[in-house]
Amino acid sequence: KAGVTQTPRYLIKTRGQQVTLSCSPISGHRSVSWYQQTPGQGLQFLFEYFSETQRNKGNFPGRFSGRQFSNSRSEMNVSTLELGDSALYLCASSSDRMNTEAFFGQGTRLTVV
Amino acid sequence: AQSVSQHNHHVILSEAASLELGCNYSYGGTVNLFWYVQYPGQHLQLLLKYFSGDPLVKGIKGFEAEFIKSKFSFNLRKPSVQWSDTAEYFCAVTGATGGGADGLTFGKGTHLIIQP
Repeated sequence: KAGVTQTPRYLIKTRGQQVTLSCSPISGHRSVSWYQQTPGQGLQFLFEYFSETQRNKGNFPGRFSGRQFSNSRSEMNVSTLELGDSALYLCASSSDRMNTEAFFGQGTRLTVV
Repeated sequence: AQSVSQHNHHVILSEAASLELGCNYSYGGTVNLFWYVQYPGQHLQLLLKYFSGDPLVKGIKGFEAEFIKSKFSFNLRKPSVQWSDTAEYFCAVTGATGGGADGLTFGKGTHLIIQP
Protein backbone atom coordinates (compact mmCIF):
# COMPACT_ATOMS: atom_id res chain seq x y z
CA LYS A 1 0.00 0.00 0.00
CA ALA A 2 1.08 3.58 -0.56
CA GLY A 3 3.11 5.23 2.15
CA VAL A 4 2.79 8.64 3.72
CA THR A 5 2.90 11.31 1.04
CA GLN A 6 4.05 14.84 1.71
CA THR A 7 3.82 17.71 -0.71
CA PRO A 8 5.65 19.67 -1.81
CA ARG A 9 9.05 18.06 -1.32
CA TYR A 10 10.94 21.33 -1.48
CA LEU A 11 9.88 24.89 -0.84
CA ILE A 12 11.64 28.24 -0.75
CA LYS A 13 9.88 31.14 0.94
CA THR A 14 10.76 34.67 1.98
CA ARG A 15 10.72 35.94 5.54
CA GLY A 16 7.29 37.18 6.53
CA GLN A 17 5.42 34.93 4.12
CA GLN A 18 3.25 32.04 5.14
CA VAL A 19 3.37 28.44 3.97
CA THR A 20 1.08 25.43 3.92
CA LEU A 21 2.40 21.89 3.85
CA SER A 22 0.30 18.84 3.07
CA CYS A 23 0.35 15.27 4.30
CA SER A 24 -1.65 12.29 3.06
CA PRO A 25 -1.48 9.42 5.55
CA ILE A 26 -1.51 5.73 4.79
CA SER A 27 -5.00 4.63 3.85
CA GLY A 28 -6.97 3.76 6.96
CA HIS A 29 -4.69 5.65 9.35
CA ARG A 30 -6.50 8.22 11.45
CA SER A 31 -3.62 9.65 13.46
CA VAL A 32 -1.28 12.19 11.89
CA SER A 33 1.66 13.81 13.67
CA TRP A 34 4.02 16.54 12.52
CA TYR A 35 7.69 16.97 13.42
CA GLN A 36 10.34 19.56 12.68
CA GLN A 37 13.87 18.32 12.01
CA THR A 38 16.85 20.68 12.17
CA PRO A 39 20.59 20.00 12.59
CA GLY A 40 20.68 21.87 15.89
CA GLN A 41 17.48 20.76 17.61
CA GLY A 42 16.97 17.38 15.99
CA LEU A 43 13.44 16.02 15.67
CA GLN A 44 10.81 17.95 17.61
CA PHE A 45 7.13 17.18 17.98
CA LEU A 46 4.83 19.87 16.57
CA PHE A 47 1.30 18.48 16.97
CA GLU A 48 -0.84 15.41 16.57
CA TYR A 49 -4.31 14.99 15.10
CA PHE A 50 -6.76 12.16 15.46
CA SER A 51 -10.16 12.17 13.78
CA GLU A 52 -9.89 15.87 12.91
CA THR A 53 -9.07 16.88 16.51
CA GLN A 54 -5.75 18.24 17.67
CA ARG A 55 -4.86 16.20 20.71
CA ASN A 56 -1.60 17.79 21.70
CA LYS A 57 0.88 20.42 20.63
CA GLY A 58 4.60 20.69 21.16
CA ASN A 59 6.50 23.71 22.35
CA PHE A 60 6.17 25.86 19.24
CA PRO A 61 4.78 29.39 18.84
CA GLY A 62 1.25 30.04 17.67
CA ARG A 63 2.56 30.77 14.16
CA PHE A 64 2.57 27.01 13.70
CA SER A 65 -0.88 25.57 13.21
CA GLY A 66 -2.50 22.62 11.57
CA ARG A 67 -5.70 20.84 10.77
CA GLN A 68 -6.98 17.47 9.71
CA PHE A 69 -9.74 16.77 7.26
CA SER A 70 -12.42 14.09 7.34
CA ASN A 71 -10.36 11.91 4.99
CA SER A 72 -7.47 12.10 7.51
CA ARG A 73 -5.32 14.25 5.25
CA SER A 74 -3.57 16.94 7.22
CA GLU A 75 -2.09 20.34 6.58
CA MET A 76 0.23 22.44 8.65
CA ASN A 77 0.60 26.16 8.26
CA VAL A 78 3.39 28.47 9.33
CA SER A 79 2.65 32.18 9.26
CA THR A 80 5.08 35.10 9.32
CA LEU A 81 8.03 32.91 8.41
CA GLU A 82 11.37 33.42 10.12
CA LEU A 83 14.82 32.28 8.99
CA GLY A 84 14.86 29.84 11.89
CA ASP A 85 11.84 28.01 10.46
CA SER A 86 14.07 26.52 7.77
CA ALA A 87 13.88 22.81 8.41
CA LEU A 88 12.70 19.44 7.21
CA TYR A 89 9.07 19.00 8.22
CA LEU A 90 8.05 15.39 8.68
CA CYS A 91 4.60 13.92 8.84
CA ALA A 92 3.87 10.55 10.39
CA SER A 93 0.70 8.51 10.38
CA SER A 94 -0.46 5.77 12.68
CA SER A 95 -3.40 3.42 12.68
CA ASP A 96 -4.39 3.99 16.26
CA ARG A 97 -4.29 6.53 19.03
CA MET A 98 -1.39 4.91 20.83
CA ASN A 99 1.13 5.68 18.11
CA THR A 100 2.25 2.08 18.39
CA GLU A 101 4.01 2.43 15.07
CA ALA A 102 4.39 5.70 13.26
CA PHE A 103 5.11 5.65 9.52
CA PHE A 104 6.98 8.68 8.26
CA GLY A 105 6.86 10.51 4.97
CA GLN A 106 9.88 11.81 3.07
CA GLY A 107 9.32 15.28 4.43
CA THR A 108 9.08 18.79 3.04
CA ARG A 109 12.33 20.74 2.99
CA LEU A 110 11.46 24.36 3.75
CA THR A 111 14.05 27.06 3.18
CA VAL A 112 13.30 30.59 4.36
CA VAL A 113 15.42 33.32 2.79
CA ALA B 1 9.03 16.86 30.52
CA GLN B 2 10.32 13.76 28.87
CA SER B 3 13.72 13.64 27.21
CA VAL B 4 15.93 11.17 25.37
CA SER B 5 19.70 11.15 25.41
CA GLN B 6 21.86 9.38 22.86
CA HIS B 7 25.43 9.26 24.03
CA ASN B 8 27.25 8.87 20.74
CA HIS B 9 26.66 11.44 18.02
CA HIS B 10 29.09 9.90 15.54
CA VAL B 11 30.27 6.32 15.41
CA ILE B 12 32.65 4.83 12.87
CA LEU B 13 33.07 1.06 12.67
CA SER B 14 34.54 -1.47 10.31
CA GLU B 15 32.39 -4.13 8.70
CA ALA B 16 31.77 -7.17 10.92
CA ALA B 17 32.37 -5.16 14.09
CA SER B 18 29.79 -5.30 16.86
CA LEU B 19 27.58 -2.30 17.49
CA GLU B 20 25.99 -0.86 20.60
CA LEU B 21 24.32 2.55 20.59
CA GLY B 22 23.31 3.98 23.92
CA CYS B 23 19.94 5.54 24.71
CA ASN B 24 18.66 6.84 28.04
CA TYR B 25 15.31 8.44 28.63
CA SER B 26 13.64 10.54 31.25
CA TYR B 27 9.90 10.12 31.68
CA GLY B 28 7.65 10.05 34.70
CA GLY B 29 5.55 7.07 33.76
CA THR B 30 5.25 3.93 31.71
CA VAL B 31 6.81 4.28 28.29
CA ASN B 32 6.82 2.86 24.81
CA LEU B 33 10.31 2.84 23.30
CA PHE B 34 11.45 2.88 19.69
CA TRP B 35 14.51 2.88 17.49
CA TYR B 36 14.17 4.48 14.08
CA VAL B 37 16.71 4.50 11.25
CA GLN B 38 17.14 7.03 8.46
CA TYR B 39 19.22 5.78 5.53
CA PRO B 40 20.76 8.45 3.29
CA GLY B 41 18.04 10.06 1.20
CA GLN B 42 15.28 7.94 2.69
CA HIS B 43 12.50 8.43 5.20
CA LEU B 44 12.56 7.38 8.83
CA GLN B 45 11.84 3.69 9.28
CA LEU B 46 11.04 1.74 12.41
CA LEU B 47 13.78 -0.70 13.43
CA LEU B 48 12.13 -2.08 16.56
CA LYS B 49 9.85 -1.17 19.44
CA TYR B 50 9.18 -2.11 23.04
CA PHE B 51 5.83 -1.82 24.77
CA SER B 52 5.85 -4.52 27.42
CA GLY B 53 6.90 -8.09 28.08
CA ASP B 54 10.32 -9.49 27.20
CA PRO B 55 12.77 -6.60 27.64
CA LEU B 56 14.94 -7.95 24.82
CA VAL B 57 13.30 -7.07 21.54
CA LYS B 58 14.37 -8.06 18.08
CA GLY B 59 13.85 -5.88 15.04
CA ILE B 60 14.59 -5.89 11.37
CA LYS B 61 17.99 -6.43 9.75
CA GLY B 62 19.46 -8.25 12.75
CA PHE B 63 19.08 -5.41 15.22
CA GLU B 64 17.99 -5.91 18.81
CA ALA B 65 17.55 -3.71 21.86
CA GLU B 66 17.32 -4.30 25.58
CA PHE B 67 15.07 -2.32 27.89
CA ILE B 68 16.58 -1.94 31.36
CA LYS B 69 13.96 -0.21 33.47
CA SER B 70 16.23 0.43 36.45
CA LYS B 71 18.68 2.28 34.21
CA PHE B 72 16.08 4.01 32.04
CA SER B 73 17.98 2.65 29.07
CA PHE B 74 17.11 1.13 25.72
CA ASN B 75 20.40 0.37 23.97
CA LEU B 76 20.52 -0.82 20.37
CA ARG B 77 22.82 -3.69 19.40
CA LYS B 78 23.91 -5.63 16.36
CA PRO B 79 26.54 -8.38 16.55
CA SER B 80 28.05 -7.79 13.11
CA VAL B 81 27.46 -4.61 11.11
CA GLN B 82 27.45 -4.28 7.35
CA TRP B 83 28.33 -1.37 5.08
CA SER B 84 24.59 -0.99 4.34
CA ASP B 85 23.98 -0.13 8.02
CA THR B 86 25.47 3.31 7.42
CA ALA B 87 22.67 5.64 8.50
CA GLU B 88 21.33 7.94 11.20
CA TYR B 89 19.78 6.15 14.19
CA PHE B 90 17.21 7.71 16.47
CA CYS B 91 15.93 6.53 19.81
CA ALA B 92 12.41 7.71 20.72
CA VAL B 93 9.95 7.46 23.59
CA THR B 94 6.29 8.14 24.07
CA GLY B 95 4.01 7.74 27.04
CA ALA B 96 2.24 4.40 27.21
CA THR B 97 -0.90 6.09 28.48
CA GLY B 98 -2.74 9.12 27.16
CA GLY B 99 -3.27 7.59 23.75
CA GLY B 100 0.13 8.65 22.49
CA ALA B 101 -1.07 12.23 22.27
CA ASP B 102 2.22 13.57 23.53
CA GLY B 103 3.92 12.43 20.35
CA LEU B 104 7.34 10.89 20.02
CA THR B 105 10.27 12.46 21.83
CA PHE B 106 13.44 11.77 19.89
CA GLY B 107 17.08 11.74 20.82
CA LYS B 108 19.47 13.85 18.77
CA GLY B 109 20.50 10.84 16.72
CA THR B 110 23.69 8.86 16.12
CA HIS B 111 25.37 9.05 12.75
CA LEU B 112 26.82 5.60 12.07
CA ILE B 113 29.41 5.11 9.36
CA ILE B 114 30.52 1.60 8.43
CA GLN B 115 33.81 1.38 6.61
CA PRO B 116 34.23 -1.49 4.14
